[in-house]
Amino acid sequence: QKEVEQNSGPLSVPEGAIASLNCTYSDRVSQSFFWYRQYSGKSPELIMSIYSNGDKEDGRFTAQLNKASQYVSLLIRDSQPSDSATYLCAVTDTGGFKTIFGAGTRLFVKA
Amino acid sequence: DVKVTQSSRYLVKRTGEKVFLECVQDMDHENMFWYRQDPGLGLRLIYFSYDVKMKEKGDIPEGYSVSREKKERFSLILESASTNQTSMYLCASSLTDLYEQYFGPGTRLTVT
Repeated sequence: QKEVEQNSGPLSVPEGAIASLNCTYSDRVSQSFFWYRQYSGKSPELIMSIYSNGDKEDGRFTAQLNKASQYVSLLIRDSQPSDSATYLCAVTDTGGFKTIFGAGTRLFVKA
Repeated sequence: DVKVTQSSRYLVKRTGEKVFLECVQDMDHENMFWYRQDPGLGLRLIYFSYDVKMKEKGDIPEGYSVSREKKERFSLILESASTNQTSMYLCASSLTDLYEQYFGPGTRLTVT
């Protein structure tokens, strides 16, 4: 059974701090990696995608991928109360059709 | 912007009823997906489709069927609704090469 593991949290950080969210996956041949943000009562929204080892930055968000360690992370710099949400890590298999979602990490940013 | 719409935000049905959930995307995406999301269980794939009239079972297809007659529309059918199908149902679409999924607003279905 292919798995995507996340710490459920909640992760609590003060406003302006860096929030670090982590994810591990079991399928070594996974190809595509995503982070989604989901506000309470809303649907998931794609915020980052990463396909190769290393870092990818987009505004305050940085995704990091280490395929050798089967590890994906999301850093949120200058965290804001509006970043408070559940963050879902998702991994797509080599065929590209089936995406496995982690259960999500709840993030609270305290003003 | 990609837009994925779902026919209802909230739906209440009785046990045994046949239920249709509709999803429409406007970005010419090849792939479409139906998930359900339950507390503590995360997102679980019910069915997906990679082309018109094509469908593949996901992880929890029992009690569900799907239809994709047009590229932009993907329907989920609960043949005989049961209380354990009370859930949030999410539709998503993606391009084949990128696999980034874009979600609709969701339908919260309650079966009584």
